[in-house]
Amino acid sequence: AQKITQTQPGMFVQEKEAVTLDCTYDTSDPSYGLFWYKQPSSGEMIFLIYQGSYDQQNATEGRYSLNFQKARKSANLVISASQLGDSAMYFCAMREVNNDMRFGAGTRLTVKP
Amino acid sequence: ETGVTQTPRHLVMGMTNKKSLKCEQHLGHNAMYWYKQSAKKPLELMFVYNFKEQTENNSVPSRFSPECPNSSHLFLHLHTLQPEDSALYLCASSQGPTNSNYEQYFGPGTRLTVT
Repeated sequence: AQKITQTQPGMFVQEKEAVTLDCTYDTSDPSYGLFWYKQPSSGEMIFLIYQGSYDQQNATEGRYSLNFQKARKSANLVISASQLGDSAMYFCAMREVNNDMRFGAGTRLTVKP
Repeated sequence: ETGVTQTPRHLVMGMTNKKSLKCEQHLGHNAMYWYKQSAKKPLELMFVYNFKEQTENNSVPSRFSPECPNSSHLFLHLHTLQPEDSALYLCASSQGPTNSNYEQYFGPGTRLTVT
């Protein structure tokens, strides 16, 4: 069975600094996708970034980048130049072909002014 | 309307009530999902529909009954719920569940409280 682990229940970062949110996963399938979502206090899950298992380069989307280390089965999210609006829950998720998406327990990020 | 919408946003119901949650997606997707998010627990996938056909039911109690009349609409019918069913219920859609690189788009959720 798939397993997604986010070891940091909570993280703090100073405004304008970078922060890394950890995610490790467990799968025996060579083809899978990795996703990060942001959930503000309003409740909606917002898709941030995607990394395919065969992608050669780390994914980037604006201030978000994914540090993908396939051999270590880790897919850490890096947020650069943190903003107060980045305060939220962040979820890592994985999806194998023909399987449903599975989510980690999440990391609560707080950006301090 | 764009994206995924859910109604109502908040719902308080007694254990003997019957209510329904509604989800609508305007993205042209063919797969829709119901998730349950309880405090301090990971998202739990409840039901999956692909082209209106239910493809997964993750051992959800029968007091939750899904309905998918077409690819754009998804309902969750609730009856005789328990207090532990209080949670945020999220609907999502994607282009299809069979390819790993299709992200899911979520609605804002319905915050359900069972008294």
